[in-house]
Amino acid sequence: AQSVTQLGSHVSVSEGALVLLRCNYSSSVPPYLFWYVQYPNQGLQLLLKYTTGATLVKGINGFEAEFKKSETSFHLTKPSAHMSDAAEYFCAVTLSGSARQLTFGSGTQLTVLP
Amino acid sequence: DSGVTQTPKHLITATGQRVTLRCSPRSGDLSVYWYQQSLDQGLQFLIQYYNGEERAKGNILERFSAQQFPDLHSELNLSSLELGDSALYFCASSVGSGLRLDTQYFGPGTRLTVL
Repeated sequence: AQSVTQLGSHVSVSEGALVLLRCNYSSSVPPYLFWYVQYPNQGLQLLLKYTTGATLVKGINGFEAEFKKSETSFHLTKPSAHMSDAAEYFCAVTLSGSARQLTFGSGTQLTVLP
Repeated sequence: DSGVTQTPKHLITATGQRVTLRCSPRSGDLSVYWYQQSLDQGLQFLIQYYNGEERAKGNILERFSAQQFPDLHSELNLSSLELGDSALYFCASSVGSGLRLDTQYFGPGTRLTVL
């Protein structure tokens, strides 16, 4: 069975500072990994996903994530935070070859301070 | 706007009642997925339908059932409701059955409150 752990349920950064949201996964087979963002009163929007190949994945809105198999991590970063980045971020995993069931982490609420 | 629509937006009902949540997938998508988001359980996958047939099942209670109709819209039926069923219910859709890595597009959700 696969699982996802997001470290830090709340993260605060200043506008213009680096954003780092942590995600570690557990999977017995090569995983597919995702980051979703949820703005208030909205559904989830896909930021980026890792399948195979290049371990550094670029997503929308300037976000990127790096798959590190040795550390079983898939941390999300953005060089410079913007006020509009304030939202809840979810890391998710699914097993390669079976993309039907996403297993989500508990989420990280990002606050961007002016 | 993801193209996935869900109705109603909000639903308030009493314990023991039954409700139906509706989802229309994006045009051209054949799969519909249902998820439950609650404070204590987080985001959990419930069930997936592909072209009218059930394809995957997650942590869905026996009191809950779903179906996908010929026009591809889906309904999630929740019966004998309990206080703990209060949650945000999301529908997502994707083009394929999930065997390939299709992106799941999420609707805005239905907020269910059980009093």
